[in-house]
Amino acid sequence: DAEITQSPRHKITETGRQVTLACHQTWNHNNMFWYRQDLGHGLRLIHYSYGVQDTNKGEVSDGYSVSRSNTEDLPLTLESAASSQTSVYFCASSASGGYDEQFFGPGTRLTVL
Amino acid sequence: GENVGLHLPTLSVQEGDNSIINCAYSNSASDYFIWYKQESGKGPQFIIDIRSNMDKRQGQRVTVLLNKTVKHLSLQIAATQPGDSAVYFCAEIPGSSNTGKLIFGQGTTLQVKP
Repeated sequence: DAEITQSPRHKITETGRQVTLACHQTWNHNNMFWYRQDLGHGLRLIHYSYGVQDTNKGEVSDGYSVSRSNTEDLPLTLESAASSQTSVYFCASSASGGYDEQFFGPGTRLTVL
Repeated sequence: GENVGLHLPTLSVQEGDNSIINCAYSNSASDYFIWYKQESGKGPQFIIDIRSNMDKRQGQRVTVLLNKTVKHLSLQIAATQPGDSAVYFCAEIPGSSNTGKLIFGQGTTLQVKP
């Protein structure tokens, strides 16, 4: 069955280190999204992509970057991790249209010490 | 600015009763609204959506109501079951941009008492 996976599921890192979170989907979806979820907040959009070589900044993009070299993957990189980036990160994908259903991965819990 | 928020953080209902979860939004130009369910340790799961040209949409045991006059969205769950216990989020795509960029509310925790 087609699915969307994230790895690792849990990560502990130190302030200043570079961290990359993986997101992989097998639906052949064009659109992919990264969100973060903090206690007391809903999900907030970090970056998104509408296809290969396309990336866009979301609401809370500072300190994060993404690259889209193929349809299946959209890795999220924290260039220099900060304690404020401790959060749960969700990746999502949708077919192509803006109103197509977004399917979410299981999330990665990141702790920055 | 754009804001999607929920009136109550926690809702506790008896099994078998109906549940109503509310959401307010501030962007009157928003065109598309979605309800998501998030169980503990999992990603959000789509429940039901509604376009701004509708005021009601029904699914299996769920109904979404949209009141554009007061910019209010609600999710009704009929005959609530223990498996409905989760956090529920409303989300909108602001304006008519068709970008897929979702703005989420803070979430309401639904607790179902046996």
